[in-house]
Amino acid sequence: AQSVAQPEDQVNVAEGNPLTVKCTYSVSGNPYLFWYVQYPNRGLQFLLKYITGDNLVKGSYGFEAEFNKSQTSFHLKKPSALVSDSALYFCAVRVFDNYGQNFVFGPGTRLSVLP
Amino acid sequence: DGGITQSPKYLFRKEGQNVTLSCEQNLNHDAMYWYRQDPGQGLRLIYYSQIVNDFQKGDIAEGYSVSREKKESFPLTVTSAQKNPTAFYLCASSMESVNTDTQYFGPGTRLTVL
Repeated sequence: AQSVAQPEDQVNVAEGNPLTVKCTYSVSGNPYLFWYVQYPNRGLQFLLKYITGDNLVKGSYGFEAEFNKSQTSFHLKKPSALVSDSALYFCAVRVFDNYGQNFVFGPGTRLSVLP
Repeated sequence: DGGITQSPKYLFRKEGQNVTLSCEQNLNHDAMYWYRQDPGQGLRLIYYSQIVNDFQKGDIAEGYSVSREKKESFPLTVTSAQKNPTAFYLCASSMESVNTDTQYFGPGTRLTVL
């Protein structure tokens, strides 16, 4: 079964410190991986994606993610966290079935950046 | 102003009532999706549609119904058969091409059953 895991429910980091939000995946074929952010009572906002090419992907708001095929991981990173980065983060993978494409999401990781 | 709109933002329903959540997009996207979000459970797929007049059940379709009569519209009906409908509902859309497949999300509708 194709799945996405986010092993940490909550990540706490001090403002100005680097942050990492972890994601591992299990898919058949080449993975198409995404990170989204959600602020309270809002929809999800796209941050970045990996389709092919360079393993380090840069996205919105200074975030980046590193694709590691051997470890089946796609961890989200930022060199210096801001209090405004506090939100819920979702990792997702595009999957294909007999009907077409859809997306499988991880359970989410709540990031708290402390001032 | 392009994007995905969902209405209403908040919806209250009495037990036994059907309610319909609206989702409209002007991004000319082929595919549209409905997700349910519960605290601590992430997003679960209810229904999705790749083209007009066609749709597929997702992981938790029981108690829900959809239609796709127009490319830009994908309304979701929460029926009285849905035993626990209180949740945050998110609509999304995406292109159906190999490379441009990012999902774009609406702002969500919070449904509460009284």
